[in-house]
Amino acid sequence: NAGVTQTPKFQVLKTGQSMTLQCAQDMNHEYMSWYRQDPGMGLRLIHYSVGAGITDQGEVPNGYNVSRSTTEDFPLRLLSAAPSQTSVYFCASSRGTNEKLFFGSGTQLSVL
Amino acid sequence: GDSVTQMEGPVTLSEEAFLTINCTYTATGYPSLFWYVQYPGEGLQLLLKATKADDKGSNKGFEATYRKETTSFHLEKGSVQVSDSAVYFCALRGANFGNEKLTFGTGTRLTIIP
Repeated sequence: NAGVTQTPKFQVLKTGQSMTLQCAQDMNHEYMSWYRQDPGMGLRLIHYSVGAGITDQGEVPNGYNVSRSTTEDFPLRLLSAAPSQTSVYFCASSRGTNEKLFFGSGTQLSVL
Repeated sequence: GDSVTQMEGPVTLSEEAFLTINCTYTATGYPSLFWYVQYPGEGLQLLLKATKADDKGSNKGFEATYRKETTSFHLEKGSVQVSDSAVYFCALRGANFGNEKLTFGTGTRLTIIP
């Protein structure tokens, strides 16, 4: 079972570059979300989606865009990367907002 | 708003020692409480949960009891193993409709030495 698949695993960007972190799940989950993990701060919610065509902001949405055109995919876009966006990013999904979350293995992003 | 406070790490224990990782929370109503574990190089996995006061969640020898009176959900294990080395996150999900998002603590890194 693939579960939640994130790509790439590692990425280095220069300030001002743009890129998309990919997230796909094969469990037919309605709820998908993106978190960033920073030392001493735990996980913070960036954006989430409760179904195809529906997205909403989390705790730290600035500098990130998302879209949900299909149930399976939930890409996270960095429009103009900044050093403050250096972090580990996790995608997660669940059947519903009150259900168990399944996490991907993460993307380690460095912005120079 | 909702918040979760975990004990500072890192925590280093010898194999077969008793483990406690403290977690307290602030939230309105009766949130659901969770412990997630992150093994090296992997994403988080749900370890255990409790959805109402006095519930005890348990899994893989770990236990945590939902204490409403002390707003706590401390994680315990009677005899830890090297394979328990990981980062442990306490989390809560708000009780109010429209506030179902998870709020995580900062994580506690646990290292077990043989």
